[in-house]
Amino acid sequence: SYELTQPPSVSVSPGQTARITCSGDALPKQHVYWYQQRPGQAPVLVIYKDTERPSGIPARFSGSSSGTTVALTISGVQAEDEADYYCQSADNSGTSYVVFGGGTKLTVL
Amino acid sequence: QVQLVESGGGVVQPGRSLRLSCAASGFTFSSYAMHWVRQPPGKGLQCVALISYDGINKFHADSVKGRFTISRDNSKNTLYLQMNSLRVEDTALYYCAKVTDYGDYSIDYWGQGTLVTVSS
Repeated sequence: SYELTQPPSVSVSPGQTARITCSGDALPKQHVYWYQQRPGQAPVLVIYKDTERPSGIPARFSGSSSGTTVALTISGVQAEDEADYYCQSADNSGTSYVVFGGGTKLTVL
Repeated sequence: QVQLVESGGGVVQPGRSLRLSCAASGFTFSSYAMHWVRQPPGKGLQCVALISYDGINKFHADSVKGRFTISRDNSKNTLYLQMNSLRVEDTALYYCAKVTDYGDYSIDYWGQGTLVTVSS
């Protein structure tokens, strides 16, 4: 089955830049979407189609794509950015329809 | 504003059934595909099922295929998940979620979830 691989955790100090990666063999042909999930809350879409930011999402959130790896970058990290982050793409492998990455816990030190 | 309110969760024994509902408001429900996504305690997001805007096309994750069925009633703005032959590993918070206009079955709105606990 198709998988998206994320690092389990990333830690940064306030004001620094956090980079969370998501890897998958089909990513050169698929868009990726990023969700933020704060503790006890439902996920929120923060990046769509690899690099686009929905309205209301702060400009410090950005996305990039290179080959089989995409990345979510948070510039000038704030304490409120501490959350779990999940990448997602469509799954055209035939085994499912959507795949989520395993999630990355961002800790703001 | 968009609201998705799930209901129907609870504690159930293995092998039993449960039906989840999701009442939608604040958007044209009949125009959008909808998801059920679950999250086991302390774990990540898992797709469960997806239904097209008109209810004709349905997709179910392999882990629930043959046991769970997604459906919708556009006249009632309500999404359903019929869960049969429940297993301990189905224990999770179940979210109802609206598909975006961006494609790839991405999600722009989530409910707050309803907790399903399967335990003897």
